[in-house]
Amino acid sequence: NAGVTQTPKFRVLKTGQSMTLLCAQDMNHEYMYWYRQDPGMGLRLIHYSVGEGTTAKGEVPDGYNVSRLKKQNFLLGLESAAPSQTSVYFCASSFKAGGKNTGELFFGEGSRLTVL
Amino acid sequence: KQEVTQIPAALSVPEGENLVLNCSFTDSAIYNLQWFRQDPGKGLTSLLLIQSSQREQTSGRLNASLDKSSGRSTLYIAASQPGDSATYLCAVGNYGGATNKLIFGTGTLLAVQP
Repeated sequence: NAGVTQTPKFRVLKTGQSMTLLCAQDMNHEYMYWYRQDPGMGLRLIHYSVGEGTTAKGEVPDGYNVSRLKKQNFLLGLESAAPSQTSVYFCASSFKAGGKNTGELFFGEGSRLTVL
Repeated sequence: KQEVTQIPAALSVPEGENLVLNCSFTDSAIYNLQWFRQDPGKGLTSLLLIQSSQREQTSGRLNASLDKSSGRSTLYIAASQPGDSATYLCAVGNYGGATNKLIFGTGTLLAVQP
């Protein structure tokens, strides 16, 4: 079972470059999330999606864009990377049961991004 | 604004000890609370999920309790093993319409010494 897969796992960028992180889940989950993890700050929600074609801002959305054109994929884009975006990025998904979000999250293994 | 705190930040115990990890949160109006395990360089694995109407959940050697009124949760690990060494994260869910937004603590780094 693949679960939640993130690509790439590692990337080094120069300031001002752009890139896209891809998250794919094979569990037919309705909800998908992008978090960043920084030392001493825990995980913080960047953007999320409640279904195909929908996206919404989380706690720290500035400098990022997202798209969810297919139910199984959630893309996180950095248009002009900054050193402050050096972090480990995690994608997660959750499913609906009884008409409501169960709230149980399944995480990918993370993508480590360094911006020089 | 919901804030989640985990104390201690790090803990070292000898193998076989029972231990308790603590999580506190400031807003008691939560949807659920989850405990995760994170191994170095890896993603998060969900250990236990407690809904707001529940008091505790158990899985094997793990038991998580929830006291909403006091804003506290504990994760009890029985008979600890070196393989339990990892960072344990607590996350509180605040249901916001269609989705459950998790607020994470900064974790407790557990080392179980053989």
